[in-house]
Amino acid sequence: KQEVTQIPAALSVPEGENLVLNCSFTDSAIYNLQWFRQDPGKGLTSLLLIQSSQREQTSGRLNASLDKSSGRSTLYIAASQPGDSATYLCAVQGDAGNNRKLIWGLGTSLGVNP
Amino acid sequence: ETGVTQSPTHLIKTRGQQVTLRCSSQSGHNTVSWYQQALGQGPQFIFQYYREEENGRGNFPPRFSGLQFPNYSSELNVNALELDDSALYLCASSLDSSSISGANVLTFGAGSRLTVL
Repeated sequence: KQEVTQIPAALSVPEGENLVLNCSFTDSAIYNLQWFRQDPGKGLTSLLLIQSSQREQTSGRLNASLDKSSGRSTLYIAASQPGDSATYLCAVQGDAGNNRKLIWGLGTSLGVNP
Repeated sequence: ETGVTQSPTHLIKTRGQQVTLRCSSQSGHNTVSWYQQALGQGPQFIFQYYREEENGRGNFPPRFSGLQFPNYSSELNVNALELDDSALYLCASSLDSSSISGANVLTFGAGSRLTVL
């Protein structure tokens, strides 16, 4: 059974810092891994999707890496800004059939202080 | 191109009542998935619909049911509401195929927040 863990659960940093959020998963037989952002009381915004055959994806100040063999992904945020404050969720997706559902971590709550 | 829209945004029900939540998928998407997110938790998969048929289900009782319509919009119905059903219900659409594993990039709606008293 796939389990996804995110560390740390919460993080508070001053503006401008570079930071790393961690995600680990127990079953390396994944189809893809996605990072999402969730603002308080809101829905989810997809940030980056990494296919199982890929090692990393970049979008602006965000870079996500994937090491499928070790069951780990990191989300790197460069030059953090107060607007980055949100909960960041990691989700893995299996292959065909019912395994296509996303299995989620509990998220990392990020606060960036001006 | 429109995104995923969900209605209502908030609603309050009492135990034992029934609720219907609605989702309009993003233009061009044929698959809809529903997730339940309790406070402080990650989303939990309820079920997925592809071309009007259920195409996968999570660990939810039968009182959670759904529909997908020919225009790919969807409804989530919950009967005999319980206090623990209080949560944010998220709908996500994607372009998917039953025969291949596509990119499966999900577009989420803003959610419907259900409170059961």
